Amino acid sequence: EVQLVESGGGLVQPGGSLKVSCAASGFTFSDSAMHWVRQASGKGLEWLGRIRSTANNYATTYAASVKGRFTISRDDSKNTVYLQMNSLRTEDTAVYYCCRQGGNYAYWGQGTLVTVSS
Amino acid sequence: DIQMTQSPSSLSASVGDRITITCRASQNIDFYLNWFQQKPGKAPKLLIYATSSLQSGVPSRFSGSGSGTEFTLTISSLQPEDFAVYYCQQSSSGVLSFGGGTKVEIK
Repeated sequence: EVQLVESGGGLVQPGGSLKVSCAASGFTFSDSAMHWVRQASGKGLEWLGRIRSTANNYATTYAASVKGRFTISRDDSKNTVYLQMNSLRTEDTAVYYCCRQGGNYAYWGQGTLVTVSS
Repeated sequence: DIQMTQSPSSLSASVGDRITITCRASQNIDFYLNWFQQKPGKAPKLLIYATSSLQSGVPSRFSGSGSGTEFTLTISSLQPEDFAVYYCQQSSSGVLSFGGGTKVEIK
């Protein structure tokens, strides 16, 4: 069974940094591109970025809204993908989801809440 | 970047109604269009992939059609569990984008 479990969310001050994780199981993680998507309360889904597999040199692509502030990385030995968020703003407050590109994006984690507030 | 425009943003309907949601892409995305359903506090659930393929376990009252830049999601007979928010998503390149969502409410 495919499982994605996000963790690491919490309260952070504006201008601060936070790294959230997504632990994967039930599929060959090293072969899979992984995406991060967020959703502010009461708002729609916003794609943040993607990291490809080792076969594609772990290439990353980001949404314009977070490029230069957010970094996606992965550790295939731990079956985990990360989202490093720097220079956080109040508008970054959202639930952050990871999802697997394989399987037509059918597999999502439960999300982790990041709150940016002083 | 490819922009996705969904309409309507909300609709009210009754159990048993047939409803259609439209999604338009700002450029040709071939058939790389997926539909998701989301309920409060839950992750999005894939309903339809590649424009018209029904995800395993999804009831057959859901169907999708279209190509290029215009796509539709149809629910043939709305059930109580279908009241939710629906999103289209294009995946024609590595850069994804979502429509703004359609909230389906009980009339």
